[in-house]
Amino acid sequence: DTGVSQDPRHKITKRGQNVTFRCDPISEHNRLYWYRQTLGQGPEFLTYFQNEAQLEKSRLLSDRFSAERPKGSFSTLEIQRTEQGDSAMYLCASSLGRGGEGYTFGSGTRLTVV
Amino acid sequence: LAKTTQPISMDSYEGQEVNITCSHNNIATNDYITWYQQFPSQGPRFIIQGYKTKVTNEVASLFIPADRKSSTLSLPRVSLSDTAVYYCLVGDHNQGGKLIFGQGTELSVKP
Repeated sequence: DTGVSQDPRHKITKRGQNVTFRCDPISEHNRLYWYRQTLGQGPEFLTYFQNEAQLEKSRLLSDRFSAERPKGSFSTLEIQRTEQGDSAMYLCASSLGRGGEGYTFGSGTRLTVV
Repeated sequence: LAKTTQPISMDSYEGQEVNITCSHNNIATNDYITWYQQFPSQGPRFIIQGYKTKVTNEVASLFIPADRKSSTLSLPRVSLSDTAVYYCLVGDHNQGGKLIFGQGTELSVKP
Protein backbone atom coordinates (compact mmCIF):
# COMPACT_ATOMS: atom_id res chain seq x y z
CA ASP A 1 0.00 0.00 0.00
CA THR A 2 1.50 3.31 -1.05
CA GLY A 3 -0.56 5.55 1.21
CA VAL A 4 -3.41 7.88 0.33
CA SER A 5 -3.66 8.69 -3.37
CA GLN A 6 -5.40 11.68 -4.84
CA ASP A 7 -6.20 12.34 -8.46
CA PRO A 8 -5.65 14.64 -10.24
CA ARG A 9 -2.78 16.50 -8.58
CA HIS A 10 -3.68 19.71 -10.38
CA LYS A 11 -6.88 20.93 -11.99
CA ILE A 12 -7.50 24.19 -13.80
CA THR A 13 -11.09 24.90 -14.67
CA LYS A 14 -13.21 27.77 -15.86
CA ARG A 15 -15.69 29.38 -13.53
CA GLY A 16 -19.03 27.65 -13.74
CA GLN A 17 -17.68 24.24 -14.68
CA ASN A 18 -18.06 21.12 -12.55
CA VAL A 19 -15.04 19.27 -11.24
CA THR A 20 -14.60 15.92 -9.50
CA PHE A 21 -11.69 14.73 -7.42
CA ARG A 22 -10.89 11.19 -6.38
CA CYS A 23 -9.28 9.86 -3.22
CA ASP A 24 -8.05 6.32 -2.64
CA PRO A 25 -7.38 5.77 1.08
CA ILE A 26 -5.17 3.21 2.73
CA SER A 27 -7.06 -0.03 2.16
CA GLU A 28 -7.61 -1.06 5.77
CA HIS A 29 -8.67 2.43 6.89
CA ASN A 30 -12.41 2.73 7.44
CA ARG A 31 -12.49 6.49 7.93
CA LEU A 32 -11.94 8.99 5.15
CA TYR A 33 -11.80 12.78 5.47
CA TRP A 34 -11.84 15.72 3.08
CA TYR A 35 -10.19 19.04 3.86
CA ARG A 36 -9.65 22.28 1.99
CA GLN A 37 -6.57 24.47 2.42
CA THR A 38 -5.91 27.95 1.13
CA LEU A 39 -2.55 29.68 1.07
CA GLY A 40 -1.21 30.52 4.51
CA GLN A 41 -4.01 28.76 6.38
CA GLY A 42 -4.31 25.40 8.04
CA PRO A 43 -6.51 22.73 6.47
CA GLU A 44 -10.26 23.25 7.01
CA PHE A 45 -12.46 20.24 7.65
CA LEU A 46 -15.14 19.57 5.02
CA THR A 47 -16.59 16.13 5.67
CA TYR A 48 -15.80 12.58 6.74
CA PHE A 49 -17.00 9.04 6.19
CA GLN A 50 -16.95 5.84 8.17
CA ASN A 51 -17.06 3.17 5.52
CA GLU A 52 -19.77 4.37 3.13
CA ALA A 53 -21.65 6.48 5.69
CA GLN A 54 -21.07 10.24 5.67
CA LEU A 55 -20.91 11.04 9.38
CA GLU A 56 -20.35 14.78 9.41
CA LYS A 57 -20.42 17.71 7.01
CA SER A 58 -18.99 21.15 7.71
CA ARG A 59 -21.05 24.27 7.14
CA LEU A 60 -18.28 25.14 4.67
CA LEU A 61 -19.67 22.43 2.43
CA SER A 62 -22.24 24.40 0.44
CA ASP A 63 -24.91 22.84 -1.73
CA ARG A 64 -22.48 22.95 -4.65
CA PHE A 65 -20.23 20.43 -2.92
CA SER A 66 -21.01 16.74 -2.68
CA ALA A 67 -18.91 13.85 -1.48
CA GLU A 68 -19.49 10.14 -1.84
CA ARG A 69 -17.84 6.93 -0.78
CA PRO A 70 -20.08 4.39 -2.50
CA LYS A 71 -18.47 1.13 -1.48
CA GLY A 72 -16.55 2.26 1.54
CA SER A 73 -13.30 2.35 -0.38
CA PHE A 74 -12.44 5.31 -2.66
CA SER A 75 -14.23 8.63 -2.37
CA THR A 76 -15.10 11.44 -4.77
CA LEU A 77 -15.60 15.12 -4.06
CA GLU A 78 -17.57 17.04 -6.67
CA ILE A 79 -17.86 20.78 -6.92
CA GLN A 80 -20.62 22.08 -9.17
CA ARG A 81 -20.66 25.51 -10.80
CA THR A 82 -17.16 26.35 -9.57
CA GLU A 83 -16.38 29.85 -8.33
CA GLN A 84 -13.03 31.58 -8.02
CA GLY A 85 -13.29 31.27 -4.25
CA ASP A 86 -13.16 27.49 -4.63
CA SER A 87 -9.51 27.73 -5.67
CA ALA A 88 -7.60 25.82 -3.01
CA MET A 89 -5.79 22.61 -2.20
CA TYR A 90 -8.22 19.78 -1.52
CA LEU A 91 -6.76 17.21 0.84
CA CYS A 92 -7.95 13.72 1.62
CA ALA A 93 -6.96 11.72 4.68
CA SER A 94 -7.76 8.31 6.08
CA SER A 95 -7.50 6.62 9.45
CA LEU A 96 -8.37 3.45 11.29
CA GLY A 97 -10.70 5.46 13.51
CA ARG A 98 -8.90 4.36 16.62
CA GLY A 99 -5.44 4.33 18.10
CA GLY A 100 -2.71 6.93 18.22
CA GLU A 101 -1.03 6.29 14.90
CA GLY A 102 -2.51 9.37 13.35
CA TYR A 103 -4.25 10.18 10.15
CA THR A 104 -2.56 9.74 6.78
CA PHE A 105 -2.99 12.54 4.28
CA GLY A 106 -2.64 12.47 0.54
CA SER A 107 -0.67 15.08 -1.38
CA GLY A 108 -3.83 16.89 -2.37
CA THR A 109 -5.47 18.20 -5.52
CA ARG A 110 -4.67 21.81 -6.35
CA LEU A 111 -7.74 23.45 -7.92
CA THR A 112 -7.46 26.73 -9.78
CA VAL A 113 -10.67 28.35 -11.02
CA VAL A 114 -10.10 30.96 -13.69
CA LEU B 1 -12.98 21.11 20.56
CA ALA B 2 -10.16 22.83 22.40
CA LYS B 3 -8.63 25.87 20.75
CA THR B 4 -4.87 25.96 20.39
CA THR B 5 -2.47 28.89 20.27
CA GLN B 6 1.05 28.62 18.90
CA PRO B 7 3.60 31.09 17.50
CA ILE B 8 3.03 31.99 13.89
CA SER B 9 6.68 31.67 12.97
CA MET B 10 10.08 30.69 14.35
CA ASP B 11 13.61 30.85 13.03
CA SER B 12 16.43 28.47 13.85
CA TYR B 13 19.82 27.34 12.59
CA GLU B 14 20.98 23.92 11.54
CA GLY B 15 22.04 21.72 14.43
CA GLN B 16 20.01 23.57 17.06
CA GLU B 17 17.22 22.12 19.16
CA VAL B 18 13.87 23.73 18.42
CA ASN B 19 11.02 23.88 20.91
CA ILE B 20 7.56 24.91 19.75
CA THR B 21 5.05 25.53 22.51
CA CYS B 22 1.30 25.25 22.10
CA SER B 23 -1.32 26.53 24.54
CA HIS B 24 -4.61 24.68 24.96
CA ASN B 25 -6.20 26.01 28.13
CA ASN B 26 -9.57 24.29 27.71
CA ILE B 27 -8.33 20.81 26.88
CA ALA B 28 -10.86 18.12 27.83
CA THR B 29 -10.21 14.95 29.79
CA ASN B 30 -10.50 12.72 26.72
CA ASP B 31 -8.39 14.95 24.48
CA TYR B 32 -5.03 13.96 23.07
CA ILE B 33 -2.39 16.35 21.78
CA THR B 34 -1.17 15.65 18.28
CA TRP B 35 1.43 17.39 16.14
CA TYR B 36 1.60 17.40 12.36
CA GLN B 37 4.24 18.67 9.95
CA GLN B 38 3.46 20.05 6.51
CA PHE B 39 5.79 20.83 3.62
CA PRO B 40 4.67 23.04 0.72
CA SER B 41 2.38 21.29 -1.77
CA GLN B 42 2.06 18.21 0.45
CA GLY B 43 -0.50 17.02 2.93
CA PRO B 44 0.23 17.17 6.67
CA ARG B 45 2.25 14.33 8.13
CA PHE B 46 1.74 12.89 11.63
CA ILE B 47 4.73 13.52 13.91
CA ILE B 48 3.79 12.58 17.44
CA GLN B 49 0.86 12.22 19.82
CA GLY B 50 0.62 12.24 23.59
CA TYR B 51 -1.76 12.45 26.51
CA LYS B 52 0.48 13.38 29.43
CA THR B 53 4.11 13.59 30.57
CA LYS B 54 6.65 12.87 27.84
CA VAL B 55 6.52 10.98 24.58
CA THR B 56 9.53 10.39 22.34
CA ASN B 57 9.87 8.82 18.95
CA GLU B 58 12.56 8.80 16.28
CA VAL B 59 11.54 12.24 15.03
CA ALA B 60 10.61 14.36 18.06
CA SER B 61 9.71 14.58 21.71
CA LEU B 62 6.50 15.90 23.17
CA PHE B 63 6.44 17.36 26.66
CA ILE B 64 3.12 17.77 28.43
CA PRO B 65 2.95 19.26 31.95
CA ALA B 66 0.66 17.86 34.60
CA ASP B 67 -2.12 20.40 34.01
CA ARG B 68 -2.05 19.62 30.24
CA LYS B 69 -2.85 23.22 29.37
CA SER B 70 0.17 23.45 27.14
CA SER B 71 2.58 21.20 25.31
CA THR B 72 6.00 21.55 23.73
CA LEU B 73 7.20 19.86 20.58
CA SER B 74 10.97 19.41 20.66
CA LEU B 75 12.93 18.80 17.47
CA PRO B 76 16.54 17.81 18.19
CA ARG B 77 19.35 19.08 15.97
CA VAL B 78 17.22 20.46 13.14
CA SER B 79 18.36 20.45 9.55
CA LEU B 80 17.31 22.51 6.55
CA SER B 81 14.79 19.79 5.64
CA ASP B 82 12.88 20.48 8.86
CA THR B 83 11.72 23.80 7.41
CA ALA B 84 7.95 23.35 7.39
CA VAL B 85 4.72 24.34 9.09
CA TYR B 86 4.01 22.56 12.38
CA TYR B 87 0.45 22.18 13.64
CA CYS B 88 -0.65 21.47 17.20
CA LEU B 89 -4.05 19.81 17.44
CA VAL B 90 -6.11 18.87 20.46
CA GLY B 91 -9.04 16.49 20.36
CA ASP B 92 -10.27 12.97 20.94
CA HIS B 93 -8.13 11.78 18.05
CA ASN B 94 -8.09 8.20 19.23
CA GLN B 95 -11.76 7.94 18.25
CA GLY B 96 -11.24 8.89 14.62
CA GLY B 97 -13.12 12.16 14.69
CA LYS B 98 -12.25 15.20 12.62
CA LEU B 99 -9.01 17.09 13.16
CA ILE B 100 -9.23 20.85 13.63
CA PHE B 101 -6.15 22.70 12.42
CA GLY B 102 -5.11 26.18 13.48
CA GLN B 103 -2.73 28.38 11.53
CA GLY B 104 0.36 26.46 12.62
CA THR B 105 3.95 27.56 13.25
CA GLU B 106 6.11 28.21 10.23
CA LEU B 107 9.60 27.04 11.15
CA SER B 108 12.47 28.30 9.05
CA VAL B 109 15.83 26.56 9.50
CA LYS B 110 18.82 28.48 8.19
CA PRO B 111 22.32 27.21 7.41
